[in-house]
Amino acid sequence: NAGVMQNPRHLVRRRGQEARLRCSPVKGHSHVYWYRQLPEEGLKFMVYLQKENIIDESGMPKERFSAEFPKEGPSILRIQQVVRGDSAAYFCASSPNARTGPVWNTEAFFGQGTRLTVV
Amino acid sequence: AQSVTQLGSHVSVSEGALVLLRCNYSSSVPPYLFWYVQYPNQGLQLLLKYTTGATLVKGINGFEAEFKKSETSFHLTKPSAHMSDAAEYFCAVTLGSGTYKYIFGTGTRLKVLA
Repeated sequence: NAGVMQNPRHLVRRRGQEARLRCSPVKGHSHVYWYRQLPEEGLKFMVYLQKENIIDESGMPKERFSAEFPKEGPSILRIQQVVRGDSAAYFCASSPNARTGPVWNTEAFFGQGTRLTVV
Repeated sequence: AQSVTQLGSHVSVSEGALVLLRCNYSSSVPPYLFWYVQYPNQGLQLLLKYTTGATLVKGINGFEAEFKKSETSFHLTKPSAHMSDAAEYFCAVTLGSGTYKYIFGTGTRLKVLA
């Protein structure tokens, strides 16, 4: 019973390179969320995706960051031209259905995170 | 706007002692509240959650939390700390009647002393 799988677990990039973070949700889950955890801070919401759709990207930086969740394959968080300030742990979470009738799903399952270090 | 405040970024307790981790929230609508635990280099694991109904919520590993609306609090407790409880604990709230967007506190790192 695999949970949310993220890879790589650790990623080192030089300034200016691209970082690609992958997330495979729990089998059967169609909703994916990305969160970022900066050092000494809590997790901050970045983006919410369903298959082939971005539902809410209000937490994403306007530049250099993008996310997708294609029909087939994992969700990808892409950071272009990374800078030192992008160094953080990036967590993916998934849920089966965000809303069932009038009730929103109340639990997301989190992956182990990808720790990005920009040198 | 919703927010979560966790008092004490670091808490130390002796093994066998009471664990109390504090969480206060602000929300303009009835909140759903969560406690997650994060072990070193691991993801977040749900300890317990409050949605509606009974205000005392029991979770895994002997933890429980009580929702107190008048105090806007959701403190996490465990009667007797175990060495394996050493981890970071995050309190979180979701907007309105649950939704996908969690607002997390900054976390409390629990240290258990032998």
